[in-house]
Amino acid sequence: EVQLLESGGGLLQPGGSLRLSCAASGFAFSSYAMTWVRQAPGKGLEWVSAIIGSGGSTYYADSVKGRFTISRDNSKNTLYLQMNSLRAEDTAVYYCAKAIVGIYYFDYWGQGTLVTVSS
Amino acid sequence: QSALTQPASVSGSPGQSITISCTATSSDIVGYNYVSWYQQHPGKAPKLMIYDVSRRPSGVSNRFSGSKSGNTASLTISGLQAEDEADYYCSSETSSSTFVLFGGGTKLTVL
Repeated sequence: EVQLLESGGGLLQPGGSLRLSCAASGFAFSSYAMTWVRQAPGKGLEWVSAIIGSGGSTYYADSVKGRFTISRDNSKNTLYLQMNSLRAEDTAVYYCAKAIVGIYYFDYWGQGTLVTVSS
Repeated sequence: QSALTQPASVSGSPGQSITISCTATSSDIVGYNYVSWYQQHPGKAPKLMIYDVSRRPSGVSNRFSGSKSGNTASLTISGLQAEDEADYYCSSETSSSTFVLFGGGTKLTVL
């Protein structure tokens, strides 16, 4: 059974940093691209970032480029999102998700972790 | 405002069919080939319902179908059931530096 478990969310002040983790199990982690998608309270889904299976290529939404870094440790079956220079508008539930093929479709999702940026 | 425009809400009665549209309004949506649809119940993670415009993942009911004509993709739900009440999001690739885009979402109400 595929499972994705996010952790690392919390409350922090603007300008702060946070690292999210997503522990994966039940599939060949290194064979699939992974992604982060966020959802601000009461709002729609926003794609944030993606990384291919090998970790050799990464992709970012314009809204986070230069501030967020996606990475993965295939030996630990874990996906990460390092978030720096956080802003109030980064407040959201952050989901990790597994891609089916390429980076465009996501067939398994975690339960999400809430990041709140507020002074 | 998203470059993928969805109606804010749609509704239907049990047993009826409804269609949710997703129109690409930006030149960034070139090709509009990698279209997918997600269902999200309140407080839950999204669930992939349709990908590659019209393909259903294993386990998704055949009451859900997808199509595309020109710059508008559509999700049709037939034989509407109470459990279908949820938010639905379309998604597509883009040619911009943001590789994946979601529509604004459509709230489906089953009357």
